[in-house]
Amino acid sequence: QVQLQESGPGLVKPSQTLSLTCTVSGGSISSGSYYWTWIRQPAGKGLEWIGRIYTSGSTNYNPSLKSRLTISLDTSKNHFSLKVSSVTAADTAVYYCARQRAAGLDFDYWGQGTLVTVSS
Amino acid sequence: QSALTQPASVSGSPGQSITISCTGTSSDVGDYNYVSWYQQHPGKAPKLMIYEVFNRPSGVSNRFSGSKSGNTASLTISGLQAEDEADYYCSSYSSSSSPVVFGGGTKLTVL
Repeated sequence: QVQLQESGPGLVKPSQTLSLTCTVSGGSISSGSYYWTWIRQPAGKGLEWIGRIYTSGSTNYNPSLKSRLTISLDTSKNHFSLKVSSVTAADTAVYYCARQRAAGLDFDYWGQGTLVTVSS
Repeated sequence: QSALTQPASVSGSPGQSITISCTGTSSDVGDYNYVSWYQQHPGKAPKLMIYEVFNRPSGVSNRFSGSKSGNTASLTISGLQAEDEADYYCSSYSSSSSPVVFGGGTKLTVL
């Protein structure tokens, strides 16, 4: 059974960089045809796709966030990471990591989510 | 504003059926069968309920079904149960600038 777990600071100051890690257990992050994905959800609002990294290491980013995003893969630790630079209060949200199947493009496994608050 | 349009809320009584629509364009829902649906209870992560328009993952009740016509996908829940009360989101592949688009979500209330 694949499991994903987000980790990182719950509070980030404005203008700083938000950094999160998603640790995957129950399967290798470098095998199979999957996109390892970040999705966020502001309180009381809908889901927003942030970006993804394929098992090969290629990335796709939400155009509205692209200039501030970096998603990377660490196969030795079986985890992938998200960095969002120059954060503002608008980046406050629950951040989820998820696995997207390349075959059906659905998100079949999700982390529990982690709340990140941007505040001084 | 979300790329896919869903009604903000729907409601139904136990035992009834409801349908949630998800309207996109020919760049996403209309031209691709990569529509999926997610159920989210308060404080929980979304759960995959339907993939590739009408397929159910193992363990998902057959009371949940999906379909598509033109640019609109639909999720139908039959035999409504109290536990079905949740938010539901649709998602699709998109050939536009972002490869993944979500609907704004629909709150299902079981009366």
